[in-house]
Amino acid sequence: GAGVSQTPSNKVTEKGKYVELRCDPISGHTALYWYRQSLGQGPEFLIYFQGTGAADDSGLPNDRFFAVRPEGSVSTLKIQRTERGDSAVYLCASSKTGGTYNEQFFGPGTRLTVL
Amino acid sequence: AQRVTQPEKLLSVFKGAPVELKCNYSYSGSPELFWYVQYSRQRLQLLLRHISRESIKGFTADLNKGETSFHLKKPFAQEEDSAMYYCALSGASGTYKYIFGTGTRLKVLA
Repeated sequence: GAGVSQTPSNKVTEKGKYVELRCDPISGHTALYWYRQSLGQGPEFLIYFQGTGAADDSGLPNDRFFAVRPEGSVSTLKIQRTERGDSAVYLCASSKTGGTYNEQFFGPGTRLTVL
Repeated sequence: AQRVTQPEKLLSVFKGAPVELKCNYSYSGSPELFWYVQYSRQRLQLLLRHISRESIKGFTADLNKGETSFHLKKPFAQEEDSAMYYCALSGASGTYKYIFGTGTRLKVLA
């Protein structure tokens, strides 16, 4: 079946603008994760959804970042008043359920560039 | 604090030589450790996890709780093993987020 998909694949925006990044998880996966990967670094956790609710948003760097998953499937990561430091690859992953032993399947990422 | 350390940014070996990618972790509890791999122009994918005790593509990794290590090994490297390798830790109940290391780029030379 189809894997995790993310759109857009690339996004270039200007400092101060608002952006939305979309993630389509594998069908039937209840757990969804967002990570951010800066150049030369490993992915860094942002937020975890179990169904529609954010079970852990401890990784969101500040209140400019927000994510939703209103129907328990597609998720949108929203960044307000973008800053140059937000430039990174944003990765989405899903797993069948939340759980330490459940493999997370990653999407191809959205490369965000803030000019 | 929970942390994963991969001390080598780049590791170059010749085809047929043994490979060891180092991973050390810091975690107060019983973590689950994973190795993820990213081949050129592909997405991040699971290579192996310690709970499975399996060998994938000739790679193995043993969790050493005494040394808090989870090094990835392969006796004979192949050119197709060239990729970016990330060690990851999961363990906090209720969240299951991964904590990743900074990654090691493996180059297998012909």
